Order: sequence, then C-alpha cells, then structure tokens
Amino acid sequence: DAEITQSPRHKITETGRQVTLACHQTWNHNNMFWYRQDLGHGLRLIHYSYGVQDTNKGEVSDGYSVSRSNTEDLPLTLESAASSQTSVYFCASSAELSSSLTDTQYFGPGTRLTVL
Amino acid sequence: AQKVTQAQTEISVVEKEDVTLDCVYETRDTTYYLFWYKQPPSGELVFLIRRNSFDEQNEISGRYSWNFQKSTSSFNFTITASQVVDSAVYFCALSQGLNAGNMLTFGGGTRLMVKP
Repeated sequence: DAEITQSPRHKITETGRQVTLACHQTWNHNNMFWYRQDLGHGLRLIHYSYGVQDTNKGEVSDGYSVSRSNTEDLPLTLESAASSQTSVYFCASSAELSSSLTDTQYFGPGTRLTVL
Repeated sequence: AQKVTQAQTEISVVEKEDVTLDCVYETRDTTYYLFWYKQPPSGELVFLIRRNSFDEQNEISGRYSWNFQKSTSSFNFTITASQVVDSAVYFCALSQGLNAGNMLTFGGGTRLMVKP
C-alpha cells in the first residue's frame, strides 16, 4: 500500500548540531509539507513544496531548510538545533488532481525531536 | 491572513454523552476548504472530513456530524453517544482557495476525554 513515512520517529540531539528529518511518500504526490506541533499552537507550517526543485517558506521557517530533489522525498534540516525547536514534526502530502485542483493532505506518523 | 480558533482546549464527558467541538475561522477568501482531523493518543493525524465554502450542507457519518455555517464562520463537530475510543485531540483547519491540498492553517486543538 502507498504510504507516507517519517524517520527517525524519535530523536534526541544537542544544541548547535545539524539535524535532518526524513519524509518519504510512495503516493507520487506533487505536494509535500512540513509542520511542527506545539502545545497550544496546533500545527504550524514550516516549509512546503509543490514539486521537484520547488520549495517555499511557511509561517515558522526560521532555522529550517528543505530541498526537493525527487517526488518522493522532502527532508527537513535544522541547520543549528535550538531548544526552541523541540517539538513534534509532521510531514504531509497531497495529490495534484489537475493543474488547479489538489486533494486533501494526509500526514505521516510524526517525529518527536528533543533538543537538549 | 487566516485564522482558526478552537476555544475549547479540553472537554471531559462521560461515555454516551453527546459533545460538540467548536471551530470558528477567519479568512478574506470567498473560496476555501475546512477540515477536521483527529489525533488519538498514538499520535498520528487522521483525516475526518473536508468541506468547501460553497457547500453548507451538514454532513453525518455514523455518530459524527458536522455543522457548517458561513453566516457565523463556524464549522462545528458533534459526536453523538460518545465512546472511550473517541478520546483524542481534534483539530479544525482551513485552506485558502479551491485547492483542498493547499497549506493548512490549524486551530489549537480540543482535547476530548471520554470517561467510562
């Protein structure tokens, strides 16, 4: 079955280290998204991509970067991890139904990141 | 700018009670989608429903029902005869335009606890 996976599921790192969270989907979706979930804030958009080589900043993009070299993957990199980036990170993807219509977003299982 | 407000941060009910989760949204767009997602204790995000701004028809799916009212900018979710398995955090979300797969703006979530 097609799916969306995230790895690792749990990660503990130290302040200042570079961290990369992986997101892989086998639905062949053009659109992929990264959100972070924090208590009281719901989910907030970090970065998103509408296709290969396309990346865009979301609401809370400072300190994060993404790259899209193929359809299946959108890795999220924390350039220099900070304690404020301790959070649960969700990847999502959605299909492009036509040139102007896209389908609902479906989410991966999440990665819990702790920055000490 | 768009905003989603879920004023109820936590609700506790006894099994078999009916419960309504409130969602109020703000957007300047005339076309948009509204969503509800469920996050059970296991942590994943499960898509429940989406509604576009042209479709104010209420929807019922088993014990779940949704009331969309553009006049009050609300998209409320009712669970009839609640069960312990309904215990979860529920998120309301909004996307601009006619693309259901566009970036989502989430409310802060409502934690529902159903006690036996």
